[in-house]
Order: sequence, then C-alpha cells, then structure tokens
Amino acid sequence: AQSVSQHNHHVILSEAASLELGCNYSYGGTVNLFWYVQYPGQHLQLLLKYFSGDPLVKGIKGFEAEFIKSKFSFNLRKPSVQWSDTAEYFCAVKDSGYSTLTFGKGTMLLVSP
Amino acid sequence: DSGVTQTPKHLITATGQRVTLRCSPRSGDLSVYWYQQSLDQGLQFLIQYYNGEERAKGNILERFSAQQFPDLHSELNLSSLELGDSALYFCASRRDSLNTGELFFGEGSRLTVL
Repeated sequence: AQSVSQHNHHVILSEAASLELGCNYSYGGTVNLFWYVQYPGQHLQLLLKYFSGDPLVKGIKGFEAEFIKSKFSFNLRKPSVQWSDTAEYFCAVKDSGYSTLTFGKGTMLLVSP
Repeated sequence: DSGVTQTPKHLITATGQRVTLRCSPRSGDLSVYWYQQSLDQGLQFLIQYYNGEERAKGNILERFSAQQFPDLHSELNLSSLELGDSALYFCASRRDSLNTGELFFGEGSRLTVL
C-alpha cells in the first residue's frame, strides 16, 4: 500500500523566510501528486498538483513543488512566506489506476509577523 | 466554498451511540469519498462511492458503514461509538472515478464522543 511521509510536523518561520516542506512517498510506479492546504477552520483546498510533464509545478499563492522521481519526493516550496500562509499542509499521492488519495499526516506551518 | 456540504458541523454524543453524517457533493460530481482526520492518524481514507456503488474501501471499521443515494448525497453511519472515534470526518467529491482531477472537500463534521 502507498504511504506518504511528511518530514516535519511543525514548522515555525518569520515572514519573508523561505519555505520548503518535504514529502516522500513509497510507491515506485506512476503516481499523481498533490499538495493541499487547510487554513484554520476551513476545508482542505488544492494548492497544486502534478500528473505528468514538467516536474516543477506552480500552484496558487506563489507555491511551487518539484517532483523528483528518483527520490520519490514532491517537496513544496515558497520563496517568501506571509503571515496568511499559516495553515496545515498535506501532501497526497494517488497511484495511477486507483482512485483514492493517500495523505501524509500534515505539516503545521506557523508564520510569525 | 468548495460546493461540498456536510452536516452536522459539530456533534457530541456518548459512547455506544450511533450517529449519521451527511454529505452533499458538488453538483455533477459522481464520486464521494469519506476521510477521517485525527491528531494521531492524520487523514485516513475510509470509503469511496461512485454513482451509488461502493468503489473503494480503506481503513473503515466494521462498526461504520456508508451509502450513496440516487440523488448522489452520501451518509456515513457510525455505530457503537467509542472514545477513539472522536475525530473530524471529511467528505470529498470528484467529477468522475477516473484518476484525474482534484478532490473537493467539505468543511467536515467534528464528532466528539464522551
């Protein structure tokens, strides 16, 4: 079964700092990759997704992620975080041929002003 | 607003009881997914329905069951509740059951079992 590992449970940054959240998955076949964000008290929203093509994916709100197949990784990055980026971030993986998403346990990001 | 509606938003009940959580997917979405979010387990996939039929099963306990009705809304039934069932239960929908497209999540139903 697919598993997803997010390296950090909690990250604390100051505004304007750069962000990188790690995500690794276990399955070696064809996968679809996602990052979701959950702002306090809100539902999960899609930040970005990778299906094929350019491994560097750009999403909303200045986020991007890079798919490195050899490392089974899909790390999320943002050059300069804002206080409004405070949220929980979830990496998710879907094996091609299956319909369900497997989520990591999430990383709580706190950005201090 | 994702277009996915879940009720109730909050529910407090006692051990041994039974509750039903309801989900209305986005208009036109045939697939409905149920996830359980807890502090220790994270987001766990429970079950998926597509156009009324069960399509995939995850870590769903035997005490839990779900169904999707002809109007595509879904219900998750949790019975013989235990303290450990306290969690946030999310419903998500997708346009089709193929392996494309994002999931749209509801705001969740927070269940507290006392």
